[in-house]
Amino acid sequence: QVQLQQSGPGLVKPSQTLSLTCVISGDSVSRNDIAWNWIRQSPSRGLEWLGVTYYRSGWTNVYALSLESRITINSETSKNQFSLHLDSVTPEDTAVYYCARGSFRALDVWGQGTTVTVSS
Amino acid sequence: DIQMTQSPSSVSASVGDRVTVTCRASQGISTWLAWYQQKPGKPPKLLINTASALQSGVPSRFSGSGSGTDFTLTISSLQPEDSATYYCQQGNSFPRFTFGGGTKVEIK
Repeated sequence: QVQLQQSGPGLVKPSQTLSLTCVISGDSVSRNDIAWNWIRQSPSRGLEWLGVTYYRSGWTNVYALSLESRITINSETSKNQFSLHLDSVTPEDTAVYYCARGSFRALDVWGQGTTVTVSS
Repeated sequence: DIQMTQSPSSVSASVGDRVTVTCRASQGISTWLAWYQQKPGKPPKLLINTASALQSGVPSRFSGSGSGTDFTLTISSLQPEDSATYYCQQGNSFPRFTFGGGTKVEIK
C-alpha cells in the first residue's frame, strides 16, 4: 500500500522560503512510470497544480508557468522522498499543500495535506 | 493553459436520486479526464480515470463518460456518504494538470 507522509512548517514569514517534504512508502521515487507532484488548495484559487518531478532515463522537473521563477522540486533517492521549495512567499501562498503520486495522467495517491499560513 | 469548467457549482438532491455533474474543457483533451471526491479536511480521492475507468474500490453507482471537451460524472443512486465536493482534472497537457472549480453535492 503506497503512502505519502508530508512534513514541514505550518507558518512561514513573508519573503521567506516555504519548504515541504513528502516521504514515500510502498513505492520508489525513481520508478520510471510514475510522477511525483505538488498541488495546493485555497478558497481563492481552488486546486492548483504546482509542479512535478519524475525519473525516466534521467530526472525531469516541470513547474506551473505562474510559479516558475519561485519554485523548486527535488528528489532524494536515498531517503525515497521529494521536496517542494517556494521562494519569496506572500500571503497569497497561504493554502493547504499536498503531495501526490501521478499515474496514467491522474493523481491516485495523496499525502495528508499541510496547512501553510504565510504571516509575520 | 487548458481551462476546466464544472457545472453546477452545487447541487442538493435526495437519497436515491440520480446526480449528474458536468465538466467542459476549453480544448479537446481526448479522454484524459479524471474525477475526484473530496470530503472536508481530507485530500481528494481519485474516483475515475481516463474519463470512464472506475478506480478499484469505488462503488459502481459512480460512472463517468465523455471525450473531447465534454464529460459527465453520474451518481446513479445518491447515498448519504456521497456528500462531498467533486472535481474534474485534465491530464492531456501532461505533466501540467488543471482542475475544475468543483461541484458541491449535498443531501436534502
